Amino acid sequence: DTEVTQTPKHLVMGMTNKKSLKCEQHMGHRAMYWYKQKAKKPPELMFVYSYEKLSINESVPSRFSPECPNSSLLNLHLHALQPEDSALYLCASSQGAGGGVEKLFFGSGTQLSVL
Amino acid sequence: GQNIDQPTEMTATEGAIVQINCTYQTSGFNGLFWYQQHAGEAPTFLSYNVLDGLEEKGRFSSFLSRSKGYSYLLLKELQMKDSASYLCAVRDEDYQLIWGAGTKLIIKP
Repeated sequence: DTEVTQTPKHLVMGMTNKKSLKCEQHMGHRAMYWYKQKAKKPPELMFVYSYEKLSINESVPSRFSPECPNSSLLNLHLHALQPEDSALYLCASSQGAGGGVEKLFFGSGTQLSVL
Repeated sequence: GQNIDQPTEMTATEGAIVQINCTYQTSGFNGLFWYQQHAGEAPTFLSYNVLDGLEEKGRFSSFLSRSKGYSYLLLKELQMKDSASYLCAVRDEDYQLIWGAGTKLIIKP
């Protein structure tokens, strides 16, 4: 299994809603990532979990809250989002978080629209 | 600052060859990646270069010159399915990935 599975594929939410994005991988990867991507822009790193511990938080607003329940799962909890948070949210994993050919395996993303 | 430059858009003909360039200025260098991303889909890994030279993988090749801060992705025998964005990413001295904005490649019949 070389897939990263993300749900839901599409999400529309109001600014007062609370929702969660889910990500799962069964490749035994020890690093998992959340990226945000706006149209025609590169992915922007949000969070990195390494061995189930949050290792990088790229100054992301607290309305985004990551959670890593176990080594295969990664969640992103959303609350009180703004319209400018509308974007494609990508989950990725890699074997480790260090050097070498630590290529990222991306999920197909959640297209989020905040109304 | 850290910077990666790629052309915004390129057009090529089916069956032809196209070269997508990437120049970078980063704090340190620990490898360069190329990813392909079809519209509305996730990026997928194409290649990795850490030493100077050419890496060939089927119809795709990637070249790196560390002294020039330069890489290119060469696509041969272009097919319509190659229409996508191609993202160059450099891993810096802290092993963080710095992404280019991507090159949208349009293939015409």
